[in-house]
Amino acid sequence: SQQGEEDPQALSIQEGENATMNCSYKTSINNLQWYRQNSGRGLVHLILIRSNEREKHSGRLRVTLDTSKKSSSLLITASRAADTASYFCATHAWNAGNMLTFGGGTRLMVKP
Amino acid sequence: NAGVTQTPKFRVLKTGQSMTLLCAQDMNHEYMYWYRQDPGMGLRLIHYSVGEGTTAKGEVPDGYNVSRLKKQNFLLGLESAAPSQTSVYFCASSFGPEAAPLHFGNGTRLTVT
Repeated sequence: SQQGEEDPQALSIQEGENATMNCSYKTSINNLQWYRQNSGRGLVHLILIRSNEREKHSGRLRVTLDTSKKSSSLLITASRAADTASYFCATHAWNAGNMLTFGGGTRLMVKP
Repeated sequence: NAGVTQTPKFRVLKTGQSMTLLCAQDMNHEYMYWYRQDPGMGLRLIHYSVGEGTTAKGEVPDGYNVSRLKKQNFLLGLESAAPSQTSVYFCASSFGPEAAPLHFGNGTRLTVT
């Protein structure tokens, strides 16, 4: 079963616009991570936010975490065509051993 | 620096055949994982290892076996392939116990006919 569920499943925007993807999860977590996957490639780690953090930034990426709502969002500002990829959230919970559980992903298309 | 390398990249099997997928990492990571990715399902953990000589079951372990004889290698075996095992398989590794960050290989696309 999937711990995280991304919303929307697919998103199409113009270059320069902002892209927001949401992730909801079901159980208490230790950390939540976001990954990017380009077509035909493996996943690449973007950012990790711990359960006691509310917001983190990395370049054009901004991640928020609301543990009371069991949700997270990933904002990509000033998107570029190169940002076209699938984005996955993944959760780690201490009571799940060393397992990282992934959601189904959001497919982002940035049109030039 | 190669990171995580998976071989082979593609494979077609007939039902009942066996095969082994090899994963090698050169980052001296303790933790290694095998995931499968199916359309609309995200990634699901098959087996993982927290160190040389250890393995543990993940979410979908049935039909698969693994071995971690050397710290840098993690093998995934299919003893009798089934069409339901048609998928893209990803190996990943990580340094610490919080499963973060995971470093992924580029996947093995397996088709079972």
